[in-house]
Amino acid sequence: GNSVTQMEGPVTLSEEAFLTINCTYTATGYPSLFWYVQYPGEGLQLLLKATKADDKGSNKGFEATYRKETTSFHLEKGSVQVSDSAVYFCALGGAGSYQLTFGKGTKLSVIP
Amino acid sequence: DTGVSQNPRHKITKRGQNVTFRCDPISEHNRLYWYRQTLGQGPEFLTYFQNEAQLEKSRLLSDRFSAERPKGSFSTLEIQRTEQGDSAMYLCASSLTGGRSTDTQYFGPGTRLTVL
Repeated sequence: GNSVTQMEGPVTLSEEAFLTINCTYTATGYPSLFWYVQYPGEGLQLLLKATKADDKGSNKGFEATYRKETTSFHLEKGSVQVSDSAVYFCALGGAGSYQLTFGKGTKLSVIP
Repeated sequence: DTGVSQNPRHKITKRGQNVTFRCDPISEHNRLYWYRQTLGQGPEFLTYFQNEAQLEKSRLLSDRFSAERPKGSFSTLEIQRTEQGDSAMYLCASSLTGGRSTDTQYFGPGTRLTVL
């Protein structure tokens, strides 16, 4: 079946540091890949997505590239801010089903 | 566009009671999904509707759970004879099909259920 493995947290970074959160997946077919973010006390928000191999999703300074050869979709940001503190979820969809399969989430804390 | 809304936001109940949650999707979205999220975990799929038809159910959805989407608009999720293990955040999402296998799902704020 489909599965998503993402880097376990928590991750603590200083402001302006470089962020990478690793995500790898197992899926049949050709899934779409997503990063969702959950800020404290709020619901899940779509951060970015990629629907086919070599696509790069980007939003708010975050980027992730769909790598079919390594079955990965790592999230990166060049300079994090305190306001980026949240839980980040990698997810896949499609690949034979309309449901999303999520990783366990990575909690990011950015300190001034 | 008001987004996906869920009510109530919090529900505390005693073991053995029935509870019902409501989800109002983004208007014109024809797909509606329910997920469950426990502490420290990612959301897990429960079921989804296309218009009023319930097309897929997870093995997580035991006989005590039932979901409906009358007239293809809002949806309700009912849990009968609640158990402490049902304590979780119940998330609703909606999407608009565009002919592709996956369309972007937009999530509501969730209903947090606590079973005492």
